[in-house]
Amino acid sequence: EVQLVESGGGLVQPGGSLRLSCAASGFTFKAYGLIWVRQAPGKGLEWLSTISFSGSSTYYADSVKGRFTISKDNSKNTLFLQMSSLRVQDTAVYYCAKSGGRYFFDSWGQGTLVTVSS
Amino acid sequence: EIVMTQSPATLSVSPGEGATLSCRASHSVSSDVAWYQQKPGQAPRLLIYGTSTRATGIPARFSGSGSGTEFTLTISSLQSEDFAVYYCQQYHNWPPLTFGGGTKVEIK
Repeated sequence: EVQLVESGGGLVQPGGSLRLSCAASGFTFKAYGLIWVRQAPGKGLEWLSTISFSGSSTYYADSVKGRFTISKDNSKNTLFLQMSSLRVQDTAVYYCAKSGGRYFFDSWGQGTLVTVSS
Repeated sequence: EIVMTQSPATLSVSPGEGATLSCRASHSVSSDVAWYQQKPGQAPRLLIYGTSTRATGIPARFSGSGSGTEFTLTISSLQSEDFAVYYCQQYHNWPPLTFGGGTKVEIK
């Protein structure tokens, strides 16, 4: 059974940093692309970043480019999102998800809440 | 950027009735559309990919159709567990990967 478990969310002040983790199990981690998606309170889904199966290619939404960095550790089956220069509007539930081959997403974590507030 | 527009925003349906949800792409996305279901407090769940292929474990009452810029998710007979928010997503031309704004299916 595929499992994705996010951690690292919490309360952070504007301008601060946070590192999210997504621990994966139940599939060959190094064989699949992964993404981070967020959902602001009461809003829809917003794609943030994609990393290829090898980790050699990364892509970002304009809203987070230059502030967020996606990475993966294939030896630890873990996906990361390093977030810096956080803004109030970054407040959201952050989900990691696994690609289903092409870039639709067949497994999702339960999400971790990031609150940016002073 | 390809914009995905879903309609209606809210659909009121009685249990046992059918529902038709629409998703329009601003440019052709071929058949590269997925649909997700999200219930309150839960993560999204993949229903359909490739416009019409049901994901593992998805009941046959869910079906998808369309191509190019117009796509439809049909739920043939709504069960109580189907009342949720539904999102479409294109993966044809990215970045960015883009989602529609969602359609909430509520009990009439």
